[in-house]
Amino acid sequence: QKEVEQNSGPLSVPEGAIASLNCTYSDRGSQSFFWYRQYSGKSPELIMFIYSNGDKEDGRFTAQLNKASQYVSLLIRDSQPSDSATYLCAVISSGYGGSQGNLIFGKGTKLSVKP
Amino acid sequence: KAGVTQTPRYLIKTRGQQVTLSCSPISGHRSVSWYQQTPGQGLQFLFEYFSETQRNKGNFPGRFSGRQFSNSRSEMNVSTLELGDSALYLCASSLSGSDQETQYFGPGTRLLVL
Repeated sequence: QKEVEQNSGPLSVPEGAIASLNCTYSDRGSQSFFWYRQYSGKSPELIMFIYSNGDKEDGRFTAQLNKASQYVSLLIRDSQPSDSATYLCAVISSGYGGSQGNLIFGKGTKLSVKP
Repeated sequence: KAGVTQTPRYLIKTRGQQVTLSCSPISGHRSVSWYQQTPGQGLQFLFEYFSETQRNKGNFPGRFSGRQFSNSRSEMNVSTLELGDSALYLCASSLSGSDQETQYFGPGTRLLVL
């Protein structure tokens, strides 16, 4: 059973601080990693994707991937109250024969940014 | 470009009934995946369709089925509804469903089974 684990939170940070969200996955064959943000009552929207070991930056967001440790993280710099949402880590496992269209999601970390 | 659309947005059914949900992907996207989201289980993959063929299926009972039409629009059907089928049903589209493509989600259909 392929699994993606996230701390459910809530993670509370003050406005302007760095929020750090973490995710581990069980399948070493995983190749593609995604972070989605989901506001209450809304559908998930893509924040970032990362395929290679190391860091990937996009504005205030940085995704970090360590395949040896089977660990992926998302850093949000200068956190804003509008960043308050649930952050979902998702993984596609390649080389599995049936990976098409199948994102495996963690249960999400709820982030609260206090003004 | 219009996003993924889903209809209806809200639905109330009773146990034993069946329901059909519809999803129109982003123009040019040929892969459509369906997910069920519940507070307890989170987001779980139901199935994926590409070129009118189901290529991948999650671990759900046969009461859950789907299909895709030649214009890439997709429907999912749940027969003999159970209380536990109450959930947000999301569809997502991508160009071809390959591993490194982003899936874009629709607004979802919220199903309540009484």
